[in-house]
Amino acid sequence: GAVVSQHPSRVICKSGTSVKIECRSLDFQATTMFWYRQFPKQSLMLMATSNEGSKATYEQGVEKDKFLINHASLTLSTLTVTSAHPEDSSFYICSARDRRGVPDTQYFGPGTRLTVL
Amino acid sequence: EDQVTQSPEALRLQEGESSSLNCSYTVSGLRGLFWYRQDPGKGPEFLFTLYSAGEEKEKERLKATLTKKESFLHITAPKPEDSATYLCAVRDSNSGYALNFGKGTSLLVTP
Repeated sequence: GAVVSQHPSRVICKSGTSVKIECRSLDFQATTMFWYRQFPKQSLMLMATSNEGSKATYEQGVEKDKFLINHASLTLSTLTVTSAHPEDSSFYICSARDRRGVPDTQYFGPGTRLTVL
Repeated sequence: EDQVTQSPEALRLQEGESSSLNCSYTVSGLRGLFWYRQDPGKGPEFLFTLYSAGEEKEKERLKATLTKKESFLHITAPKPEDSATYLCAVRDSNSGYALNFGKGTSLLVTP
């Protein structure tokens, strides 16, 4: 299967600061990447779809100005949590769409645990 | 509204005790049903893609099947290392390439 990495794996920050999370597809090009959020013992909730070279598409209820997404290349998407607050603490997971199969498949990164103090 | 429902929420098996996990779905037009395994604190690991009713996929002790309304993940003679949360997700004709996930089944296999 395809490999997707995320960095950092864990971050602790103070309330009011911004945090950037990187998602990379290591062995394939991904024109589409996705960002999910997962609360303890809950399933994954899609936050936004990131398309290379264009603006991200956000799910209903997700603040665009709060969660900035940039997909500047075919292997990298970034999620920036701006002015983070304790309620933003969560497990953030990205996935990348691998178009080489039929149907195409999303491969997930290992996740980033964000703790806002 | 599209829905994905997994059952049971949690399952405890003894090593070697075979069982099945269920994923029922209602979508406007299925474009793929996906099974993932997730270990605590990790991202989901891809297992299978099923595309059309009647399709079956196998990998080691796991076998996934698909009908028009549901999918089963059969676990044959499980081992403790099969303990994980198993997630089902669907893609439909209205959602582009986004996946709609069920809440998962937490599987514990005891020695």
